[in-house]
Amino acid sequence: SQTIHQWPATLVQPVGSPLSLECTVEGTSNPNLYWYRQAAGRGLQLLFYSVGIGQISSEVPQNLSASRPQDRQFILSSKKLLLSDSGFYLCAWSVQESYGYTFGSGTRLTVV
Amino acid sequence: KQEVTQIPAALSVPEGENLVLNCSFTDSAIYNLQWFRQDPGKGLTSLLLIQSSQREQTSGRLNASLDKSSGRSTLYIAASQPGDSATYLCALYGNKLVFGAGTILRVKS
Repeated sequence: SQTIHQWPATLVQPVGSPLSLECTVEGTSNPNLYWYRQAAGRGLQLLFYSVGIGQISSEVPQNLSASRPQDRQFILSSKKLLLSDSGFYLCAWSVQESYGYTFGSGTRLTVV
Repeated sequence: KQEVTQIPAALSVPEGENLVLNCSFTDSAIYNLQWFRQDPGKGLTSLLLIQSSQREQTSGRLNASLDKSSGRSTLYIAASQPGDSATYLCALYGNKLVFGAGTILRVKS
């Protein structure tokens, strides 16, 4: 069966520090991968999606970047965190969008 | 641009009640609609996926319907339990996945 892993579960980082969040998928090949952010009291915002290794599309300009070094690995990064980067980050995958999406357990990021 | 609205924003019911959560959307050109559950501080758990050619899906005490012509979907929860307390999100896929803001459900014991 397919599973999706995100880590860490929680993270507290100072302003200006770097960030690396990792997401891996097991049990499937060539998944579409997504990073979403859920800010307090707001809906889910799509940040990045990837249809293959090294292929990254950005939905909104921001202080973050994404990379896909392996087929089932998706990484969210920042060189210097801002206070506004705080939020709940969710990774998701789909084999084909019409078949639905599966989400990870999320990472709670607090920038202080 | 697809807009998704969920009503009510919050709902509090006594245990055992049957309840309906509503999701409306503006663009009927969708491939599917997915209902998710989110517990506080947790990720999203998929409950039901309805393809655009389908009218409803059922899983246990949950039943979701889809009416594309009227731009509406409902999630019916039978015999609610305290463990059903969570935020329920509907999401539609057209050319991208668009989420509603969610309904916060509290089932009181």
